[in-house]
Amino acid sequence: SAVISQKPSRDICQRGTSLTIQCQVDSQVTMMFWYRQQPGQSLTLIATANQGSEATYESGFVIDKFPISRPNLTFSTLTVSNMSPEDSSIYLCSVGGLGESSTDTQYFGPGTRLTVL
Amino acid sequence: GEDVEQSLFLSVREGDSSVINCTYTDSSSTYLYWYKQEPGAGLQLLTYIFSNMDMKQDQRLTVLLNKKDKHLSLRIADTQTGDSAIYFCAEGSGNTGKLIFGQGTTLQVKP
Repeated sequence: SAVISQKPSRDICQRGTSLTIQCQVDSQVTMMFWYRQQPGQSLTLIATANQGSEATYESGFVIDKFPISRPNLTFSTLTVSNMSPEDSSIYLCSVGGLGESSTDTQYFGPGTRLTVL
Repeated sequence: GEDVEQSLFLSVREGDSSVINCTYTDSSSTYLYWYKQEPGAGLQLLTYIFSNMDMKQDQRLTVLLNKKDKHLSLRIADTQTGDSAIYFCAEGSGNTGKLIFGQGTTLQVKP
C-alpha cells in the first residue's frame, strides 16, 4: 500500500474565498483522483488528476470551480474556488496503479474536512 | 447509468456474524471493493475481489460475488465492537480506475 497525506486536515473558511488542498504520496502512482463526501453521504468522484495535462472532470464538476494540478507522479492539488456553504464536505484524494494493473487497488488519503461559513 | 445500492443500517450482537449486501449495475466492473470508514476518519480498504472470482476469504472477512445477479456481500465473522463503522461497497469501472460507491451501510455492534 501507499502512505497518503493531505493538507490541511481541516479548515473553516469564509464564503467567497478559495482553499487549496494538497495530496502527497510516498511512491509514484499511475492514477490520482479527487472525491467529495458531503455530510452523511457517500463519495462522489470529482475528477481524475492527470500528470502533465488537464484533469478529467465528472459530470457536474467544472475546472473553474475545482481547478486541479498534478505536476508529478506523487503530488496533486485540488482548489475549491469561490466557496459557498454548499461546498462544506470532506475532500479525499485517492491513488491507484500501485501494482502492474492501472485498475487494481485504490487507497484513500485521510481527507480534508472543509466547513464554509 | 452505473449504480451501487446498499442497505443503510445493520445491527448485530458482539460475537455474531454480520453480512452486508450490495448490488451493482455495471457488468463491465473489473474489481469490487469494500471500504470501512470509522467516525471522523478516512476510508480504509478492507478487501477487494476481482470480477472473475466467486469468493475471497481474508481472516474474519469473506467476500462473495454473484456476477450473474450482480450481488456482492461482505461477511464479518465474530463481529467485535471495533467493527462498528460505515461500510462502503464500490465498483471499479473498466480501465479508467474510477470508483462508483454505494451509500454505505452503518454497522452497529451491541455488546
